[in-house]
Amino acid sequence: GNSVTQMEGPVTLSEEAFLTINCTYTATGYPSLFWYVQYPGEGLQLLLKATKADDKGSNKGFEATYRKETTSFHLEKGSVQVSDSAVYFCALRIQGAQKLVFGQGTRLTINP
Amino acid sequence: NAGVTQTPKFQVLKTGQSMTLQCAQDMNHEYMSWYRQDPGMGLRLIHYSVGAGITDQGEVPNGYNVSRSTTEDFPLRLLSAAPSQTSVYFCASSYRDRPLDEQYFGPGTRLTVT
Repeated sequence: GNSVTQMEGPVTLSEEAFLTINCTYTATGYPSLFWYVQYPGEGLQLLLKATKADDKGSNKGFEATYRKETTSFHLEKGSVQVSDSAVYFCALRIQGAQKLVFGQGTRLTINP
Repeated sequence: NAGVTQTPKFQVLKTGQSMTLQCAQDMNHEYMSWYRQDPGMGLRLIHYSVGAGITDQGEVPNGYNVSRSTTEDFPLRLLSAAPSQTSVYFCASSYRDRPLDEQYFGPGTRLTVT
C-alpha cells in the first residue's frame, strides 16, 4: 500500500540551527509529494511540494528534493527561527487520486 | 473569502450521544474531505466527496456518516459517540481537477467523548 514515514519527534533546536526532518515513502505509481505545516491551534497549510523525481520544492527558506532512488523527501532549512515551531507533516498523493496520505507528523520546537 | 470554516471548535459528548460537525467552504471547491488527527498517527481520511451528491469512504469510516447536498457544505455525523472517537477533526477542500493544488484545511474541531 501507500504510506509515509517521518522521523520520530519531537525535535528541539536552538535558533539559527540547521534543520532536517526525514521523510520516506512507499507508493504505487508516481506520487506527488508535499510538506504541510501546522502552527499551534491552527489547521494545516501547504509548505511546499514536488511533482516528479529530482524536483525541488521551496518556500519560506525550507527546501525538499524528490529523490526517487531513495524514495525520500527530506525537509531542510539552513537557519531556523522561533516562529518555525510547529508540527510538520509529509504527505503523498498518487497520480490520478485525490486523497492525501500523511505521515505521523514531527513536532519541532525552536528555542531562542 | 472565509476559506474553510468548521464549527464547533470544541465539543464534549457522552458515550452514545450524537452530533454533527459542520464544515463549509466558499471557494467553490468540488473536493471536500474529513480527517481525524490522533497523536503519533498523523491525519487519517474518514470520508470524502468529489462533488455534490457524491461521497465515498476513506481509511477510517466506521462510526461516521456524511452527505453532500451542496458544493459548500460537508457535515460529518457521529451517530453514537464512542471514547475511541476522541480526536481532532479537520475538514479540507480543493479543486477536483487540480490535484497538485494544495488542499485548504479548516481550523479543526477538538472532540472529547467521555
